[in-house]
Parts: sequence; C-alpha cells; structure tokens
Amino acid sequence: DAKTTQPTSMDCAEGRAANLPCNHSTISGNEYVYWYRQIHSQGPQYIIHGLKNNETNEMASLIITEDRKSSTLILPHATLRDTAVYYCIVRDGNSGNTPLVFGKGTRLSVIA
Amino acid sequence: DAGITQSPRYKITETGRQVTLMCHQTWSHSYMFWYRQDLGHGLRLIYYSAAADITDKGEVPDGYVVSRSKTENFPLTLESATRSQTSVYFCASSESGAAGGDTQYFGPGTRLTVL
Repeated sequence: DAKTTQPTSMDCAEGRAANLPCNHSTISGNEYVYWYRQIHSQGPQYIIHGLKNNETNEMASLIITEDRKSSTLILPHATLRDTAVYYCIVRDGNSGNTPLVFGKGTRLSVIA
Repeated sequence: DAGITQSPRYKITETGRQVTLMCHQTWSHSYMFWYRQDLGHGLRLIYYSAAADITDKGEVPDGYVVSRSKTENFPLTLESATRSQTSVYFCASSESGAAGGDTQYFGPGTRLTVL
C-alpha cells in the first residue's frame, strides 16, 4: 500500500505556481520522498526527490517539513503541458532499487 | 539516444493466446521493472530484475513470466492471456547503488487488449 496521502485533484492557472501537497506521516528515517508525474497516455516521468533538505532542479522544487511528515512539490510557473497526474512516493533509501509503489496521485489541471 | 523502448505499442489478442511484450534499454541499467496500469488501481508492479538472470516477483505476478538473458532486454510473457490482463504495461529501468535509490525511467507503454 502507498504510504502517502494526496488530494485527488487540483486546478492551477497558467503561469501561476502549482503547489501540490503530500502527507507521509509514517515516514521513517531512511525513507526518501520521490515525485513522479504521468502525462496522459505516457509513461511516468521522474521529477525530483529528497530526504530532509529542500531540493530544487530545473523542473520543480521540493519542500519537506522539518518533521518530514509532509512535503510540497512546487511547479513555479505552471504551463498547460504540466497538466498530469502527480505521484508522491515514499521509498526506502537503503534498499537499493526497491520498486516504486504508486498511489492514486493528484490530477493537476492547468487552466489557461 | 534511444533510452527505453517498448514493443509493440498496441496489441490485440484473444483469450488463451501467448503474448510477449518487449522492453529494451540502451543505458546498460542493472535494474528493470514491469508495471501494469488499470483504471482505479494506478500502477502495480508485476516483476522486476536486478541483473541478468535475476528476477523477482512484484505485487501482481500471476499469469506472467519474465526472463532476463541480456542486461538490455526484459521481455514479459503472458502465457495464456485472459481478459483481466487487458491493461497498459510499462517497462522501467534504473541504475543501482546511489543513496536513496535510483531514478526509474519509464518506457512509453504497451496497450494490450485481450478479447
């Protein structure tokens, strides 16, 4: 079972920041938070991951609370092409390549 | 840079037939995975492989067979297809050894319909 809770859907205006929350209150010390997204009919795409520090890359920023029980994925300037299902995944970082366990994710709709 | 490819992209077959879905990656990644995606279930892991000749079951392995004779290929076989195996199948690969686990890269998917 997925260890995360996400809202089912969200809307965001084009050009605005999209903030996608994720609750992972049972996360353990060696578990990382991963974000993937899936654009309609395509394979999932990696976005970003982190352990406890905030992370940023060319796609997004990941903000993890100090207690690590929740996080927020931020798309700073959402475009129509960011419309997708976003998955927050908690994964043991010490087990090598443990398979990803996908939940239902958040369906983000970017509106013009 | 081909990355990870799947073939065929679309397949229609009949109940009871054997079907093989192909997955090929050009990165020499150690790990490869097969997932299926159905409405209402999200992605579920079928099988995965840590290296050539090493495979392991995932969440929903029944009715499927895998092999990994070469690092770059990871075929998935439905020995006797059933209607419940109608789904979209995704293959993924990743390197190994990095702290926190490694990013998985997904193929474009194969849409399989079993009549």
